[in-house]
Amino acid sequence: SQKIEQNSEALNIQEGKTATLTCNYTNYSPAYLQWYRQDPGRGPVFLLLIRENEKEKRKERLKVTFDTTLKQSLFHITASQPADSATYLCALFSMEYGNKLVFGAGTILRVKS
Amino acid sequence: KAGVTQTPRYLIKTRGQQVTLSCSPISGHRSVSWYQQTPGQGLQFLFEYFSETQRNKGNFPGRFSGRQFSNSRSEMNVSTLELGDSALYLCASESGWTGELFFGEGSRLTVL
Repeated sequence: SQKIEQNSEALNIQEGKTATLTCNYTNYSPAYLQWYRQDPGRGPVFLLLIRENEKEKRKERLKVTFDTTLKQSLFHITASQPADSATYLCALFSMEYGNKLVFGAGTILRVKS
Repeated sequence: KAGVTQTPRYLIKTRGQQVTLSCSPISGHRSVSWYQQTPGQGLQFLFEYFSETQRNKGNFPGRFSGRQFSNSRSEMNVSTLELGDSALYLCASESGWTGELFFGEGSRLTVL
């Protein structure tokens, strides 16, 4: 069956360091992959979208890579700040499983000053 | 422009009751999706509506239903509530061009 896996354990890093979050998937051929940020009690907020034919996407301090051979996406936040502390969700869109966006469980990121 | 608006934000119901949640998408967005979020299961897709038609449906029992009106506003209904229906229900709208979802703040349902 299809599965999307994100680090279940929280990631704790020091301010100024680069945070790297992982999203692995199985039994999918996603047309594109997205990353969202969610703060407690709030709805997710879109960050980046990367398509199957793209290797890397950047937006300010954010960088996403997409390796369809490894079936993995990495999400990087450079020069991390305490304000980056949140849950980060990856989501895959695949036409083979009904044209809908399927979310991973998310990884909690804590940036300490 | 105004974001996605969900009402009510919080509600408490008892088992067996039914509940209706409302979602007003961003102006001009014709696609509305609903998700259930629980600590154990994460974000689970319920259904998607586009131009008043259900375009996609997740693996939820028939107690979960929805509809979309001509102004793109959407409602979802859960009948015969169970304790396990306690969750944050999120609505998201999409312009149809970018794939980016714009989420509301959610409706937090507690079933006692």
